[in-house]
This record gives sequence, C-alpha cells and structure tokens, in this order.
Amino acid sequence: NAGVTQTPKFRVLKTGQSMTLLCAQDMNHEYMYWYRQDPGMGLRLIHYSVGEGTTAKGEVPDGYNVSRLKKQNFLLGLESAAPSQTSVYFCASSDPGQGTGNTIYFGEGSWLTVV
Amino acid sequence: RKEVEQDPGPFNVPEGATVAFNCTYSNSASQSFFWYRQDCRKEPKLLMSVYSSGNEDGRFTAQLNRASQYISLLIRDSKLSDSATYLCVVYLTGGGNKLTFGTGTQLKVEL
Repeated sequence: NAGVTQTPKFRVLKTGQSMTLLCAQDMNHEYMYWYRQDPGMGLRLIHYSVGEGTTAKGEVPDGYNVSRLKKQNFLLGLESAAPSQTSVYFCASSDPGQGTGNTIYFGEGSWLTVV
Repeated sequence: RKEVEQDPGPFNVPEGATVAFNCTYSNSASQSFFWYRQDCRKEPKLLMSVYSSGNEDGRFTAQLNRASQYISLLIRDSKLSDSATYLCVVYLTGGGNKLTFGTGTQLKVEL
C-alpha cells in the first residue's frame, strides 16, 4: 500500500496564479484533511472531509477550496496564490471505523513557494 | 491561549540521557491524546497514543494528567536516531475527527 500520496511535491507559483494539489489514499479511509505547516505555527487545518462529496472548513480556509468527488481523492485548490500561502502542505486521512482510532496518516508533504 | 502548548526547545542532550517533554491543553473536553514524531522535512508519524493510566513502548513512556490538563513524554537512553521534533496532539470533540497539533518540541541527541 502506498498510503497517502501527494502531488506535486514541489512547486513555485507566481502571485495570482492558481493551482491544485492532489491527494490520494488507498486505505479506504472516510476522513481526509489538508493541513499547512509554517515555522512556529505548527500544523493548521485548512479544510477537511468526512466522506465522499462532503467538505468543511478548518481553522485557516481563506484562499483555498477543496473537493472530494471520489472517496480516495481530496483536492486542494489555490484560487489566486499569495506569498502568505508559501508553506508546506500535508494531506492526511483517518478512519475510526477501521479500528485505527483517531490516528491520522500523513502524506509526504508538498512544498509550495509563491513569489 | 493556544489550544495545545509545548516548549519549542531545542532540547540538546547527550546520547544515553533521559529527557522529558510536557504539553498542556486548554479544552477539558479533549478526548484522546497522542505524540507524533516529525523528522526534518518529513511528514509527522504516530509515535504513541497516550492513555489515562500511562503507557510505555520500549524506551518511551507517555503520561496523561487530566486534572492538570497536561501530557508528558519520557525518553530513556536517548539515541542519535531520536533526534526529531515531537508533536503533542489532542483530539477535541466535534465533527471530522479533528486533531489539534502543538507546535512541537525539537530534540537533538548528541554524541
């Protein structure tokens, strides 16, 4: 099993450009998440999904959109990139119903720089 | 006040030392607690869950004090490979199985 896979791993964007980060998981998890991690701020939840076709806002949703059209995929879109969105983005998934409790499994991260 | 607070460190310790990290959380309704480990430029990975009765996994011991709302992690006989950032994680009630992460405590184990 690959677990949680994110693409791309690295990207440089110009201010105002748009892009989509793709997350795929092969563990049949119901829940998926997008976090960003910045120095001194820890991991902050952007958006999350509790099942196919559903999404919800997290702690820092502004400037991002998400979609969960298929259970295994969770897309994060940046509508008009800003330098403040320079960060490391982690996708994650979990499923309490599978007996793993509240354990979250992370992808390897996507390093995004907005210039 | 942050929901989950940790001393950022770094903790620089010699190999073989015992080191302890503490973490405090603000919401008394918090249900589950974890320690995650994150290596430089890598994703966080679950180190261990924290149970009310305390639990041990090899050289690692986790404790929970609900009355004082803090969690601790003790590492005995530190190895060079233990060098990493340790994240305290708290599960709060609410939709989406949401976890709240502390900012992490950096550990550097030296020869």
